[in-house]
Amino acid sequence: DTGVSQNPRHKITKRGQNVTFRCDPISEHNRLYWYRQTLGQGPEFLTYFQNEAQLEKSRLLSDRFSAERPKGSFSTLEIQRTEQGDSAMYLCASSLSRGNQPQHFGDGTRLSIL
Amino acid sequence: QQQVKQSPQSLIVQKGGISIINCAYENTAFDYFPWYQQFPGKGPALLIAIRPDVSEKKEGRFTISFNKSAKQFSLHIMDSQPGDSATYFCAASSMFNNDMRFGAGTRLTVKP
Repeated sequence: DTGVSQNPRHKITKRGQNVTFRCDPISEHNRLYWYRQTLGQGPEFLTYFQNEAQLEKSRLLSDRFSAERPKGSFSTLEIQRTEQGDSAMYLCASSLSRGNQPQHFGDGTRLSIL
Repeated sequence: QQQVKQSPQSLIVQKGGISIINCAYENTAFDYFPWYQQFPGKGPALLIAIRPDVSEKKEGRFTISFNKSAKQFSLHIMDSQPGDSATYFCAASSMFNNDMRFGAGTRLTVKP
């Protein structure tokens, strides 16, 4: 059973550096979501793709954040000029696109900013 | 951003007891209400979900009760086991917005 895969699992970087995370969704899922989760909180929506089109972005997604899903399969989330406040778990989820479908999550990438 | 309020923050239950977690939502457009279970270092895993056309859904030891008029829903874990110790999140979404809104989570500890 191939679930949602995220890489790397952990990323430690210095403030000001750029980082990129990858998400491979469940193969037949054409919707892909990115969330951010800080300690003791629930996941917060960042952005969502239907195939390769980015259809929605949260106000949480500052100009330093960019997400792509070039061929409608895997997705990348890049954070430029990282700040201390970017330290969090970044979660990816995928779902089918018929109506309201369950979202299946990966195990996330934990980002720590030194 | 929070449109789903979850309580309690933490819960301690004896093995074999019933765990009850409550959530309330504001947006009447929400029409899908899942519960997720999360273990440390792992992503949230879908446990059970309900749509507002039914008032209760049961899967094994897990039951969702839904009260549309009160805009509340709850998770009941029957015969709680130590392996159920995890953080539980309620969530809500609608067909018109694809951003799922999560509660702040309930940390459940089941004592042997």
